[in-house]
Amino acid sequence: EDQVTQSPEALRLQEGESSSLNCSYTVSGLRGLFWYRQDPGKGPEFLFTLYSAGEEKEKERLKATLTKKESFLHITAPKPEDSATYLCAVQAYYGQNFVFGPGTRLSVLP
Amino acid sequence: EPEVTQTPSHQVTQMGQEVILRCVPISNHLYFYWYRQILGQKVEFLVSFYNNEISEKSEIFDDQFSVERPDGSNFTLKIRSTKLEDSAMYFCASRRESNQPQHFGDGTRLSIL
Repeated sequence: EDQVTQSPEALRLQEGESSSLNCSYTVSGLRGLFWYRQDPGKGPEFLFTLYSAGEEKEKERLKATLTKKESFLHITAPKPEDSATYLCAVQAYYGQNFVFGPGTRLSVLP
Repeated sequence: EPEVTQTPSHQVTQMGQEVILRCVPISNHLYFYWYRQILGQKVEFLVSFYNNEISEKSEIFDDQFSVERPDGSNFTLKIRSTKLEDSAMYFCASRRESNQPQHFGDGTRLSIL
């Protein structure tokens, strides 16, 4: 059974304090790993897709990396507006659906 | 930027009643999905729809659930006889190709009384 775990469950950072979020996955053949941001009461907002180990993607203060067992979302010099829940999802080769992790709730304090 | 839109944003229904949740996917997308998120829990897959038929469904998607694309723009989820445990946020998603990211709407909050 495909599984996704994320750590930590919650993270509080001071503005400018860089950190990383972890997504560990077990899937029978990874077709893609997807990072989303979710604000309260909203749907997941797409951030990155990673397809193979060693791949990296960057967008503003965020950088996502992928290995064969996990992905990291690095946040450099975060701002309060980066506060949100960050979700990781995987898609297996044989399926259409995404399997989501429970998310990391990030709070960035001014 | 095109987006997935869902209506209503909040639906309150008595237990045992039928409910229809509506979605307008992004116009050139071909793959459509429904997910749900019970308060405080993970986003869970319900069903995927491609080429006018269900391509995959989860154990949650039992006989009480059905999906339909009644015209070229709408995608609906029907729950025939709602239960208290159907209370959740329901998200619609769509994508152009099967290996591309799914784009989500802002959801319908379904409250069963």
